Amino acid sequence: SQQGEEDPQALSIQEGENATMNCSYKTSINNLQWYRQNSGRGLVHLILIRSNEREKHSGRLRVTLDTSKKSSSLLITASRAADTASYFCATDASGGSNYKLTFGKGTLLTVNP
Amino acid sequence: DAGVTQSPTHLIKTRGQQVTLRCSPKSGHDTVSWYQQALGQGPQFIFQYYEEEERQRGNFPDRFSGHQFPNYSSELNVNALLLGDSALYLCASSRVYEQFFGPGTRLTVL
Repeated sequence: SQQGEEDPQALSIQEGENATMNCSYKTSINNLQWYRQNSGRGLVHLILIRSNEREKHSGRLRVTLDTSKKSSSLLITASRAADTASYFCATDASGGSNYKLTFGKGTLLTVNP
Repeated sequence: DAGVTQSPTHLIKTRGQQVTLRCSPKSGHDTVSWYQQALGQGPQFIFQYYEEEERQRGNFPDRFSGHQFPNYSSELNVNALLLGDSALYLCASSRVYEQFFGPGTRLTVL
């Protein structure tokens, strides 16, 4: 079963604009990760935020985590056409050495040049 | 560092056949996980191998089995293929937290 639910399912913006994607999950987690996938290929790890963190930055990416609402958001600033991809949030509820990711269905982001 | 590699890239099988997919983990990684991703869906966890043993398993039937070798590489076997097994199969390796994914094997069952 899929724990995370991304919102929106699809997002279309112009180059230079910011893109915000949201993720909600159901159970307590140890950490939450965001991945990018281009055209049905392998997943690329973007950022990991631990359950005791509220915000994290990496380059043009900003991730927030609200454990009380069981939700996270991914903000991509100054988007580029190369950012066009599907974005997934994944939660780890097991922690430690028993590491298993549960993915949502993803948000398809299209950045128009 | 070659990263996670998977073979083959694409595979076409018919219903009832058996298939073996292969994965070589990133250098230094000792844990391999397998995921199935149907079209338009997120990846679903199949199982995870550590120290040559299945450590965790998702909600997949016994037709799905695997193996991990002493060099940490891994195989995913699927028996009695069904049309619904058509998907992208992803392998991920890890050592602690972050999982690194391979490019996947696209399996089509006709």
